[in-house]
Amino acid sequence: AQSVTQLDSQVPVFEEAPVELRCNYSSSVSVYLFWYVQYPNQGLQLLLKYLSGSTLVKGINGFEAEFNKSQTSFHLRKPSVHISDTAEYFCAVMRSQGAQKLVFGQGTRLTINP
Amino acid sequence: EAQVTQNPRYLITVTGKKLTVTCSQNMNHEYMSWYRQDPGLGLRQIYYSMNVEVTDKGDVPEGYKVSRKEKRNFPLILESPSPNQTSLYFCASSLGPPRVGNQPQHFGDGTRLSIL
Repeated sequence: AQSVTQLDSQVPVFEEAPVELRCNYSSSVSVYLFWYVQYPNQGLQLLLKYLSGSTLVKGINGFEAEFNKSQTSFHLRKPSVHISDTAEYFCAVMRSQGAQKLVFGQGTRLTINP
Repeated sequence: EAQVTQNPRYLITVTGKKLTVTCSQNMNHEYMSWYRQDPGLGLRQIYYSMNVEVTDKGDVPEGYKVSRKEKRNFPLILESPSPNQTSLYFCASSLGPPRVGNQPQHFGDGTRLSIL
């Protein structure tokens, strides 16, 4: 079975500072990886996903993530955050073959302070 | 406008009283799924459906039923709700499974259920 661990439940940063949200996964088979964002009182939106190819994936709103197979990680980064990035962020994994299930991490609440 | 619509948005009910949360999408999507979101646990998939009449269990299916008689609708049924099903529920849809192509999953705005 697949599992996802988001290492930080809360991350406070100042506006215009860089941020990294950490995600590690566990799987015995190859997987696809995703980051979603949830703004207050809304559903989730896909930020980016890694399916294959380049390990550096660029997404919407200036976010990017790097797939590291040896470290089983898929950390999300942004070089300069804005107040509007305040949200909860979820990392998710899906096996590349077989059951079409998404397994989510526990979420990281990103708070941007002025 | 592309939408996933859930109803109701909020519901307080009592143990054992059957309830249905509806989910409808207007994008002709084949893949639909239900999740529950609980503090500290993130989102967990309850059921998903690859197409009409094709459904499968996610990670936490116990106590829930679904049906997919039409492509646009994917209701979540709690036959005998219990307090441990108090949660925030999300329905989502996409053209295909999340891993396929570059199409995103569209999420509804959520349904907050409280089972007393």
